[in-house]
Amino acid sequence: GDSVTQMEGPVTLSEEAFLTINCTYTATGYPSLFWYVQYPGEGLQLLLKATKADDKGSNKGFEATYRKETTSFHLEKGSVQVSDSAVYFCAFYSGGGADGLTFGKGTHLIIQP
Amino acid sequence: EADIYQTPRYLVIGTGKKITLECSQTMGHDKMYWYQQDPGMELHLIHYSYGVNSTEKGDLSSESTVSRIRTEHFPLTLESARPSHTSQYLCASSPRGSGIRWDTQYFGPGTRLTVL
Repeated sequence: GDSVTQMEGPVTLSEEAFLTINCTYTATGYPSLFWYVQYPGEGLQLLLKATKADDKGSNKGFEATYRKETTSFHLEKGSVQVSDSAVYFCAFYSGGGADGLTFGKGTHLIIQP
Repeated sequence: EADIYQTPRYLVIGTGKKITLECSQTMGHDKMYWYQQDPGMELHLIHYSYGVNSTEKGDLSSESTVSRIRTEHFPLTLESARPSHTSQYLCASSPRGSGIRWDTQYFGPGTRLTVL
C-alpha cells in the first residue's frame, strides 16, 4: 500500500552544519510531494512542495527535488540554524483512498549552538 | 496561505464529559480534515469533508463525530471523553487544485486534549 519512509530521529546537528533528511515513498499513480514542518506546540506548516518529476521545491533555504526514478524527495539545507529545530514530515498526495495526504512518521531535528 | 483557527488550544477535562473542538477557516476552502497526532508524532486522518453536508471517516477509526453545516466551520465532537482520547487534534483545509486534486493542505495550530 501507499506509504512514506523517512529517517528516524532525533537528528542532532551543530549550527551551520549541512542537513539531509531522507524520504522515500511508495505510491500509485503520479503523486505530488510535500515537506511540512512542526515547531513545538504548533500545527504543521507547509515548507515546500513539488508536483512533477525533477521539480525542485525550495523555501527558507530548504530544498528537495522530486526524483521519480528513485521515488525519493530528500530534504536538504546548506547551513542550519538553531531556529530550524522542529519536526519535519514528508508527505504525498495521490488522490486515492481518503483522498488526502499520506505522511511519514516525522523526523525530530535538534540544532545545537 | 490559508487562515485556519482552532479553539481551544489546550483542554483538560474529566472522563465522561462531552466536548467540541472548533475549527474554522476563512479562505473558502472546500475540503477540510481532522487528524489525530499521537505522542510519537505520527498523524492519522480521522475525518474529512468535501463540502457542506459532506462528512467521511478517515483511515483511523475514531469515536468522535463531525459536522459541516457551513463551508468555513468543521467542528469535532466527543460525546463522552475517555483517557484514551488524550491526544493532539489537528484541523486542515485544502483549496481545490487542478482538476479534482486537493493536494495542498493548510493546518491549524492544533488542540491538545487531556482527559483525566
